[in-house]
Amino acid sequence: KAGVTQTPRYLIKTRGQQVTLSCSPISGHRSVSWYQQTPGQGLQFLFEYFSETQRNKGNFPGRFSGRQFSNSRSEMNVSTLELGDSALYLCASSLFGVEDGYTFGSGTRLTVV
Amino acid sequence: AQKVTQAQTEISVVEKEDVTLDCVYETRDTTYYLFWYKQPPSGELVFLIRRNSFDEQNEISGRYSWNFQKSTSSFNFTITASQVVDSAVYFCALRPIIQGAQKLVFGQGTRLTINP
Repeated sequence: KAGVTQTPRYLIKTRGQQVTLSCSPISGHRSVSWYQQTPGQGLQFLFEYFSETQRNKGNFPGRFSGRQFSNSRSEMNVSTLELGDSALYLCASSLFGVEDGYTFGSGTRLTVV
Repeated sequence: AQKVTQAQTEISVVEKEDVTLDCVYETRDTTYYLFWYKQPPSGELVFLIRRNSFDEQNEISGRYSWNFQKSTSSFNFTITASQVVDSAVYFCALRPIIQGAQKLVFGQGTRLTINP
């Protein structure tokens, strides 16, 4: 079966712009989580959605937002980009939650210049 | 608060050597899950193992083995007879079993290089 698909794979944006990243989970998975990976801070939890509802949110500013659609596909949006937002953004899906075992996508590498 | 520490930032060994990756965690929760993930150069995190805090039995899967010791809050990972394909960044992670806590707390990762 198809894995978790993240698009685009690479992205370059200018400071102050906004960006939308997309994640298509494994078919049947209802939970989608987002993580930010940077060399300095490592892997940090952004938020988790289940059946179109945000269940958990990490400690990120309000510029980071997300949503989940009825087909479980998820998007995350970052507004007013800052240089520090440059990172690998990873999406993970699971049937019902993290204890079921995440399957991660290959990520979107965002570079803010 | 929860914290995972992987003190070894980088490890480099020659192929066929055994190597152990250390993981120490902190949590006030009495029940939790521990995980190991592998991140190859392609970027995705690959699930290796999940361990429930109730189950301290060690596990072996082929060349991989895990040693969970609740008394020392450690969950170490050993690769026996390492191979070049094992080269990757390895992450240890913790998830407290609290209703609604649908997130993983990751360690900083250990970059493992296996040289031929």
